[in-house]
Amino acid sequence: RKEVEQDPGPFNVPEGATVAFNCTYSNSASQSFFWYRQDCRKEPKLLMSVYSSGNEDGRFTAQLNRASQYISLLIRDSKLSDSATYLCVVNWNTGFQKLVFGTGTRLLVSP
Amino acid sequence: DADVTQTPRNRITKTGKRIMLECSQTKGHDRMYWYRQDPGLGLRLIYYSFDVKDINKGEISDGYSVSRQAQAKFSLSLESAIPNQTALYFCATSDPGTGDGEQFFGPGTRLTVL
Repeated sequence: RKEVEQDPGPFNVPEGATVAFNCTYSNSASQSFFWYRQDCRKEPKLLMSVYSSGNEDGRFTAQLNRASQYISLLIRDSKLSDSATYLCVVNWNTGFQKLVFGTGTRLLVSP
Repeated sequence: DADVTQTPRNRITKTGKRIMLECSQTKGHDRMYWYRQDPGLGLRLIYYSFDVKDINKGEISDGYSVSRQAQAKFSLSLESAIPNQTALYFCATSDPGTGDGEQFFGPGTRLTVL
């Protein structure tokens, strides 16, 4: 089983749609969780952290379910500029910042 | 100007050649990392360094070596390149004082080994 699993997609949605991605992780001792965004052929960049109580950043909402070991990202009112690959990232917190990356979910937003 | 830079950005080399990828950062971070990214496999950690005197292997260090010449510089070497080292290589930095999940990545080096 992969340490961090994501549906690779692509998710094809029209502008204005709401779309959600899920991610599961295998290490129950994982301490912190993140979503990174990666544009085609570019470097990954932190989109948002994921907190136990859930958190929002504008059109983006992240949720964590520790019992089921999954993380979700909801994007509302999708924009063309949201087209990218979204990486689910888990920190095992083994005394340093060892980030384990999922393979990513690709989102394509069309006009 | 970019905070994390990598050179070269693209490189084509032949099997058996030694190649060095360089990373420089102006963020003042002590921690630096080298990853490779392959389609369908995600980012995998090759080596990481907490400071100039501290270098550690990641999950896929075989066939690679690193050098931390200064706080700002972290180089990755392929001693004898092989085709399955063809990948996109990223350098990253982090500062544990600002959170445990944000790493700042360079633009990547696309390496092809023929």
